[in-house]
Amino acid sequence: TQLLEQSPQFLSIQEGENLTVYCNSSSVFSSLQWYRQEPGEGPVLLVTVVTGGEVKKLKRLTFQFGDARKDSSLHITAAQPGDTGLYLCAGALYSGGAQKLVFGQGTRLTINP
Amino acid sequence: DAGITQSPRHKVTETGTPVTLRCHQTENHRYMYWYRQDPGHGLRLIHYSYGVKDTDKGEVSDGYSVSRSKTEDFLLTLESATSSQTSVYFCAISELRLSPGNEQFFGPGTRLTVL
Repeated sequence: TQLLEQSPQFLSIQEGENLTVYCNSSSVFSSLQWYRQEPGEGPVLLVTVVTGGEVKKLKRLTFQFGDARKDSSLHITAAQPGDTGLYLCAGALYSGGAQKLVFGQGTRLTINP
Repeated sequence: DAGITQSPRHKVTETGTPVTLRCHQTENHRYMYWYRQDPGHGLRLIHYSYGVKDTDKGEVSDGYSVSRSKTEDFLLTLESATSSQTSVYFCAISELRLSPGNEQFFGPGTRLTVL
């Protein structure tokens, strides 16, 4: 069962275009994290959003957490080839004395020069 | 970068053989995790540990066991490897903070192929 549905799974656009990646769930999470992964490496955290309705900006990347804390979006403005990579959203749940992350399927983003 | 290493980085094995993957950290973090990553599935949690000798199952634990005898080491064992366990395996570590949410630091991964 995939608790987090991420879309699109693949996206190829031209340099300078804008794009949005969506992460949706029927579950409520205590926080939602966005990771970026390069080939041959492990994921690296970009941002954590905690409060419903929260918006965080990281240069040209804007992250939003839904009001009900069930969904999130990543918007990239004026995409550049350096933005190419696999983007993963992950919802945080607490149980058994530990935080567990539930990951979406990932969005493989390619920015063409 | 968080001090996490995984060994081996690549392994090819035969169906039915036992395989052990090792995760080693130098950060003294309490929590350690094993994930597998497959196309179309993102990362899925196999097992996790919340302290020495304290472990619990994740969503895809069948066919896997773990052990943590020291804070710095978390071992993942495939008792009898199957082709369905061909995957890239990632170890992660974290500490528990009350807010704003806990970052997990990931190792470089182990690519396992079961023939």
